[in-house]
Amino acid sequence: GQQVMQIPQYQHVQEGEDFTTYCNSSTTLSNIQWYKQRPGGHPVFLIQLVKSGEVKKQKRLTFQFGEAKKNSSLHITATQTTDVGTYFCAGPNFGNEKLTFGTGTRLTIIP
Amino acid sequence: NAGVTQTPKFQVLKTGQSMTLQCAQDMNHEYMSWYRQDPGMGLRLIHYSVGAGITDQGEVPNGYNVSRSTTEDFPLRLLSAAPSQTSVYFCASSQRRYSGANVLTFGAGSRLTVL
Repeated sequence: GQQVMQIPQYQHVQEGEDFTTYCNSSTTLSNIQWYKQRPGGHPVFLIQLVKSGEVKKQKRLTFQFGEAKKNSSLHITATQTTDVGTYFCAGPNFGNEKLTFGTGTRLTIIP
Repeated sequence: NAGVTQTPKFQVLKTGQSMTLQCAQDMNHEYMSWYRQDPGMGLRLIHYSVGAGITDQGEVPNGYNVSRSTTEDFPLRLLSAAPSQTSVYFCASSQRRYSGANVLTFGAGSRLTVL
């Protein structure tokens, strides 16, 4: 079945440093979604990318979808304490509504 | 709008006991799903439903049953709890997008411990 992997599993950064998490799917995705889960909370939708090579920005967050639609990345510039949490990518198979989540990257900020 | 409501928030069971995790949404979403979250494993799909009367298995369905008698409700049943089912369970729903781009709204989660 489809597998979605993320690296790294954990990342500890000093406040103000940049952060990047990478997502790789074993199959081609029709779209990729990113979710954020704060400690003790539930996943919350951040963004969806649909087109090959697409880049979207939300303030300090930059999301990319690979040309082959099998990988994606999330980059946070100048991290803040509010960025703490686990970031998940998720994608469906073509013609399949089931959403497969990546293993997540847990971001910790050192003040 | 309450969104997706899960009950209970916490539950402790003994091995072999049965229980039902409740999930209700008030957004008229056709698609509903259950995930479990374990450390280092991400979110794994247990069961999902694309509408009332229709359910299907996800990645880890063994030991769990679901039904969808109404659009609003999607309960998850553990028939005979096992310690391996200790986890945090999330219910999530979405409008159906026939392009496959369902964007999920999650409930707050139910933390289950099986002794």
